[in-house]
Amino acid sequence: GQSLEQPSEVTAVEGAIVQINCTYQTSGFYGLSWYQQHDGGAPTFLSYNALDGLEETGRFSSFLSRSDSYGYLLLQELQMKDSASYFCAVSHNTDKLIFGTGTRLQVFP
Amino acid sequence: KAGVTQTPRYLIKTRGQQVTLSCSPISGHRSVSWYQQTPGQGLQFLFEYFSETQRNKGNFPGRFSGRQFSNSRSEMNVSTLELGDSALYLCASSFGGDHGELFFGEGSRLTVL
Repeated sequence: GQSLEQPSEVTAVEGAIVQINCTYQTSGFYGLSWYQQHDGGAPTFLSYNALDGLEETGRFSSFLSRSDSYGYLLLQELQMKDSASYFCAVSHNTDKLIFGTGTRLQVFP
Repeated sequence: KAGVTQTPRYLIKTRGQQVTLSCSPISGHRSVSWYQQTPGQGLQFLFEYFSETQRNKGNFPGRFSGRQFSNSRSEMNVSTLELGDSALYLCASSFGGDHGELFFGEGSRLTVL
């Protein structure tokens, strides 16, 4: 089967850098996505890695290594509003996403 | 432009009843997919529709069904509700084949008593 594992919770302080890892057991996927979800809100798209390497979007960066079955989301200059759940997901040839277990990030002042 | 709209936002049903949830995608988007979110199982794929055709179906029983209309609006139906069907049902839309960038609605929170 397919599975994507993430740490259940990560804590950090404002201004810090945090990395959320995603290890997966799946194959034949197009790319790795990251979504943010605040409590009671909808998941919102953050980034997508189709190729191995680093993608940078403002304070957020995402990395993919297919050979290591591994990816991560890097959040820099953390702000209180970054407190949310973060999900990695793999996509196949359609809009079917397989989501990871999710990581709850708590940012403290 | 307007985002993905889901109705109703909240609903309470009893076991054995059925429910229909509605999703209006972003204008121009032809793909609509549905996900179930629960604390225990996380986000799980239900099915995906593109141009009124089901392209993919997740590992859910036949009680879960859906359809898409010619204007890309979609509905999902759950029959013979069970307690375990209590969840947040999320709809997402895209142009189709965007491989990862989906736009989600706020969801319909279903409680089964």
